[in-house]
Amino acid sequence: SQKIEQNSEALNIQEGKTATLTCNYTNYSPAYLQWYRQDPGRGPVFLLLIRENEKEKRKERLKVTFDTTLKQSLFHITASQPADSATYLCALGGMNRDDKIIFGKGTRLHILP
Amino acid sequence: DGGITQSPKYLFRKEGQNVTLSCEQNLNHDAMYWYRQDPGQGLRLIYYSQIVNDFQKGDIAEGYSVSREKKESFPLTVTSAQKNPTAFYLCATSGYNEQFFGPGTRLTVL
Repeated sequence: SQKIEQNSEALNIQEGKTATLTCNYTNYSPAYLQWYRQDPGRGPVFLLLIRENEKEKRKERLKVTFDTTLKQSLFHITASQPADSATYLCALGGMNRDDKIIFGKGTRLHILP
Repeated sequence: DGGITQSPKYLFRKEGQNVTLSCEQNLNHDAMYWYRQDPGQGLRLIYYSQIVNDFQKGDIAEGYSVSREKKESFPLTVTSAQKNPTAFYLCATSGYNEQFFGPGTRLTVL
């Protein structure tokens, strides 16, 4: 069955450093991969999408890579700030519009001042 | 403001009672979804609807029911058949390659 793993349940990073979160998947060939941010008690908010034919995508201090050979995505936050502390979810989507999106369990990121 | 509203924010239910969670959207999206989130479990799909008057079961539909009579509305009923309903429930719509989530309803069974 399809499986998506975010291999750190929680991650502590010193303010100013780069935070790197990992998302691995098996038994799936996604057309795209997404990253969402979720704050406690709130719904997830979309951050970035990267397609299967893209290697890297950037948005301000965020960078996402996508390696379909390794079946892995890395999500980087550079110059991290305490306000970046949240849970980050990765999600996979298929080719067809009615394909369900599959979510990982998330990584809780704590940026330490 | 465009977006998704869910009500109530907090809901308490006695065992054996059915409760209905509201989800309304004004994004004009066709597809709507209900997810359940438990600590350490991630998002699990309960039901989804691609179009009015049509919906499909997700991965954990047992003990839940939905309706989709209007494009804007996708209410979820948690029935007494759901054995462990205490959770955070999220409604979402689907835009172009991203999902938009509501603020969630936290349901607690007393």
